[in-house]
Amino acid sequence: GAGVSQSPSNKVTEKGKDVELRCDPISGHTALYWYRQSLGQGLEFLIYFQGNSAPDKSGLPSDRFSAERTGGSVSTLTIQRTQQEDSAVYLCASSNGVGQGLAKNIQYFGAGTRLSVL
Amino acid sequence: AQSVTQLGSHVSVSEGALVLLRCNYSSSVPPYLFWYVQYPNQGLQLLLKYTSAATLVKGINGFEAEFKKSETSFHLTKPSAHMRDAAEYFCAVSGRPNFGNEKLTFGTGTRLTIIP
Repeated sequence: GAGVSQSPSNKVTEKGKDVELRCDPISGHTALYWYRQSLGQGLEFLIYFQGNSAPDKSGLPSDRFSAERTGGSVSTLTIQRTQQEDSAVYLCASSNGVGQGLAKNIQYFGAGTRLSVL
Repeated sequence: AQSVTQLGSHVSVSEGALVLLRCNYSSSVPPYLFWYVQYPNQGLQLLLKYTSAATLVKGINGFEAEFKKSETSFHLTKPSAHMRDAAEYFCAVSGRPNFGNEKLTFGTGTRLTIIP
């Protein structure tokens, strides 16, 4: 597609439920990132996928958070047993990866998914 | 380890006045530096980036930033503010891609208000 697409744009859930957030990166981009934007913590890195390499999960706040990227394209961020402190905007970004063209390492962001945990 | 400090969570300037948003970085490796803008209910849009070429970087919408290694700064400026510049601005740092540390570390953001 023309840009990074995230769905849903808004998600309201009850505490304890599981949620899945989806990201469709820009076609051909090999790198994909998830960030979280919250009032208390600002913008935080969560997880990074680059091609077929093992993902960098160093930013995931707990084992309730996981993400996968199927076929090197679409990614799903899953939060299990949601807590109120998980309420935030979850942003996805993609880039054309290392050493590829003049625009390497420019991350293009989607509009985000606003998650509200009641 | 890398970090970014943005001085001033809120900045107000009059329309037509100079915009100056401050950013200082800390990095153990040569950094890539970025400024992103976020309009209400939208994602982040890249304004400009520094990747070790020219130290004065020009971006979109008339913004520019100067990399000063001696001051570890990457302040964002615009000579004349417009009402449409009202938004939140984020400074960010990453390592060089060849080192495999491309994730962005963001500052806490500066909300820019333009006074008519």
